[in-house]
Amino acid sequence: QSALTQPASVSGSPGQSITISCTGTSSDVGGYNYVSWYQQHPGKAPRLMIYDVSNRPSGVSNRFSGSKSGNTASLTISGLQAEDEADYYCSSYTGSSTLVVFGGGTKLTVL
Amino acid sequence: EVQLVESGGGLVQPGGSLRLSCAASEFTFNNYAMSWVRQAPGKGLEWVSGVSGTGGSINYADSVKGRFTISRDNFKNMLYLQMNSLRLEDTAVYYCAKGGVGRWDAFDVWGQGTMVTVSS
Repeated sequence: QSALTQPASVSGSPGQSITISCTGTSSDVGGYNYVSWYQQHPGKAPRLMIYDVSNRPSGVSNRFSGSKSGNTASLTISGLQAEDEADYYCSSYTGSSTLVVFGGGTKLTVL
Repeated sequence: EVQLVESGGGLVQPGGSLRLSCAASEFTFNNYAMSWVRQAPGKGLEWVSGVSGTGGSINYADSVKGRFTISRDNFKNMLYLQMNSLRLEDTAVYYCAKGGVGRWDAFDVWGQGTMVTVSS
């Protein structure tokens, strides 16, 4: 099971919106509506931001939204804030013995 | 507060063994699947292994199959990872993570991580 494909880096200015893509296959992203997104600040554990493609856990800002089309999922962050600067990882359930596959991660820089 | 606390990491030689532990608190442990996820220095996240709430279903990533064993003790609210035949590429921070309701994934609670270094 190969890792999902994410851009290595994205950037945006405060107040702008950015979108991070996550491309998989019909065996993972395209086959299930079980895509999650995690935020990780340096030296910290990951934090769940989006699950089931577009659902936000309690406590996550509504500036974070998710979507999916075919084998590609996307995370959009609107109204960028300095605290959003972090690494972002997508993941998908696979249904195989390797239950979960992650993307390689995207470093978000807030200019 | 819902919490996961890992322990057991350290320095081990190639070919050696190590047992990681994860103590869970403030949630009904046996209701949730649990997983181990690792992160090599400067690298991304990699799912390692998962176990269902009852312990009756277990899965592994191909990279650790046959070398690592996941287990849980629902009486003690503990998750374990027995790591044998360790390789240099197993060097990573190992996180335990709680699955979502009725889910293997959607990890909504993570521990702080424990560092495993495989080196001669």
